[in-house]
Amino acid sequence: AQKVTQAQTEISVVEKEDVTLDCVYETRDTTYYLFWYKQPPSGELVFLIRRNSFDEQNEISGRYSWNFQKSTSSFNFTITASQVVDSAVYFCALYPYNQGGKLIFGQGTELSVKP
Amino acid sequence: DADVTQTPRNRITKTGKRIMLECSQTKGHDRMYWYRQDPGLGLRLIYYSFDVKDINKGEISDGYSVSRQAQAKFSLSLESAIPNQTALYFCATSDTGTGEDTQYFGPGTRLTVL
Repeated sequence: AQKVTQAQTEISVVEKEDVTLDCVYETRDTTYYLFWYKQPPSGELVFLIRRNSFDEQNEISGRYSWNFQKSTSSFNFTITASQVVDSAVYFCALYPYNQGGKLIFGQGTELSVKP
Repeated sequence: DADVTQTPRNRITKTGKRIMLECSQTKGHDRMYWYRQDPGLGLRLIYYSFDVKDINKGEISDGYSVSRQAQAKFSLSLESAIPNQTALYFCATSDTGTGEDTQYFGPGTRLTVL
């Protein structure tokens, strides 16, 4: 089965706290891509990162970092020193390379950062 | 100007009406997609098109049809709308030429079927 699980439905933190959003995936494909998207209250979907299955290096972009571990089929997203503007729904998604372009989304994690 | 545009942005319609949602892109991408988002379910793929002559059903195509009028245009139709088609609809595009397969989304259309 091809599946993405984001077990955390909602997370609430206070500004400046660090927060990690979990993503666990299932796929039979050996070649695949993993994505994170952000959906702010305005509703649009913003692409954050793409990682392919052969690249397990962690990625850092400003306050955002991603930890990809094939051994545990996880692709977790950490926001350091969270800000109110980080409040959004975050989606993890899986793209199995041999599944004809289908992007499989997790259910999303709603992050609320309070001042 | 936005790379992927959707019209209308909001629509309220009645059960049984035919409705069309339109998507246009200026990114020059060959692939286009339609998704719907329901609370707690993430996004689910309705239809996708790899080029003008290639259209494929996604996970939840029943009750929907699509038309790829040109490389830049992909429309979604609800032939006879029903209340459980109330959702947020997204169009997306991707470019096989770059090998990246990253999908970029439009701003969404909020559809309410009464």
